[in-house]
Amino acid sequence: DGGITQSPKYLFRKEGQNVTLSCEQNLNHDAMYWYRQDPGQGLRLIYYSQIVNDFQKGDIAEGYSVSREKKESFPLTVTSAQKNPTAFYLCASSGGYSGRGYNEQFFGPGTRLTVL
Amino acid sequence: RKEVEQDPGPFNVPEGATVAFNCTYSNSASQSFFWYRQDCRKEPKLLMSVYSSGNEDGRFTAQLNRASQYISLLIRDSKLSDSATYLCVVRRGKLIFGQGTELSVKP
Repeated sequence: DGGITQSPKYLFRKEGQNVTLSCEQNLNHDAMYWYRQDPGQGLRLIYYSQIVNDFQKGDIAEGYSVSREKKESFPLTVTSAQKNPTAFYLCASSGGYSGRGYNEQFFGPGTRLTVL
Repeated sequence: RKEVEQDPGPFNVPEGATVAFNCTYSNSASQSFFWYRQDCRKEPKLLMSVYSSGNEDGRFTAQLNRASQYISLLIRDSKLSDSATYLCVVRRGKLIFGQGTELSVKP
């Protein structure tokens, strides 16, 4: 079955440690995205990538880094510079730009990160 | 002011009720509009796109008023399984999400 996988589902880390969240898709989508969701808030865009080896900052990129070495994979690193990293992290992918904006985004199941 | 704002909720309704969600957006350059559904502790999933002419999918009706920059979602004959958070989403190049309105349908 095609889809997006994120691992792990739950992650606990000590303050000051970097942590990398995995996102893999087999939908053959060009574009991939990382969002953060805090309780009672909408999703906020962290980083996005339209094509392999290219990515752009979203609205809240500070304290995060990404790479896009393969079409299928878009890992997110939460660095120690991120002041409030505890959140629900969602990865998404879409078929890319169609001239009217990006196509429907499909989301992975998310990773809940708790920094102790 | 947030770019996409929704009714604060939560909405608590009995089964069979009709419930309406409202959403406003501030940027007139917004290109397209959606409602997503998010179950508790799960990922969002596309419920329906919203068109200027209005569109219906079974018990769900979405409306868009570009002049007023207003989007609505109407759910008729609500079911227990409709309980979720409904996210209003606007595309302006990227997707911009509202904070969501929680719906709880009770027996």
